[in-house]
Amino acid sequence: DAGITQSPRHKVTETGTPVTLRCHQTENHRYMYWYRQDPGHGLRLIHYSYGVKDTDKGEVSDGYSVSRSKTEDFLLTLESATSSQTSVYFCAITPGTGAEAFFGQGTRLTVV
Amino acid sequence: EDQVTQSPEALRLQEGESSSLNCSYTVSGLRGLFWYRQDPGKGPEFLFTLYSAGEEKEKERLKATLTKKESFLHITAPKPEDSATYLCAVQAEVGTSYGKLTFGQGTILTVHP
Repeated sequence: DAGITQSPRHKVTETGTPVTLRCHQTENHRYMYWYRQDPGHGLRLIHYSYGVKDTDKGEVSDGYSVSRSKTEDFLLTLESATSSQTSVYFCAITPGTGAEAFFGQGTRLTVV
Repeated sequence: EDQVTQSPEALRLQEGESSSLNCSYTVSGLRGLFWYRQDPGKGPEFLFTLYSAGEEKEKERLKATLTKKESFLHITAPKPEDSATYLCAVQAEVGTSYGKLTFGQGTILTVHP
């Protein structure tokens, strides 16, 4: 299994509070991604990183920010959580374009 | 805009009853098409990558094929342990795509003993 660890695995938070999800990899892969998975929408890209301190927006980036200060860590922050951000969040890594991506186990976030 | 459509949304099979899942796509130049399996409560697990029309790949009871507009995942003599959601994704060959994937909504496969 690819060395990807997401934390926390489950979280319940209140509307308006900040939340940070962490993705840690031990594969030294260059590219890292955050996706969210919702019924009826499949997996959608939130943000991605193509190197340390190099990040960009995906298709559903509003309300989210990311940071990557080290190769192994990619953080996803919800500055002020809303109920629409209740979802399952997956981190993925890949060594390069055209190569398969490997996914973490996911974080189930509930915003109440 | 890249698009991926999977059909059917759900498929119920009897053990041993072969069938196929479809993935139709539109993309501005295909870098690769990927199949994943996802079990409840887990992350997607990589199955296959296909890069060009006519390519085929096999793994146990699964065989993936690719044309210029769609991909099929053929399941031969399925077993109950093949029950899962199967996801299809494409990666575009447009400048620097950075490996971003566009996913379909998946096909939920249930195989009854």
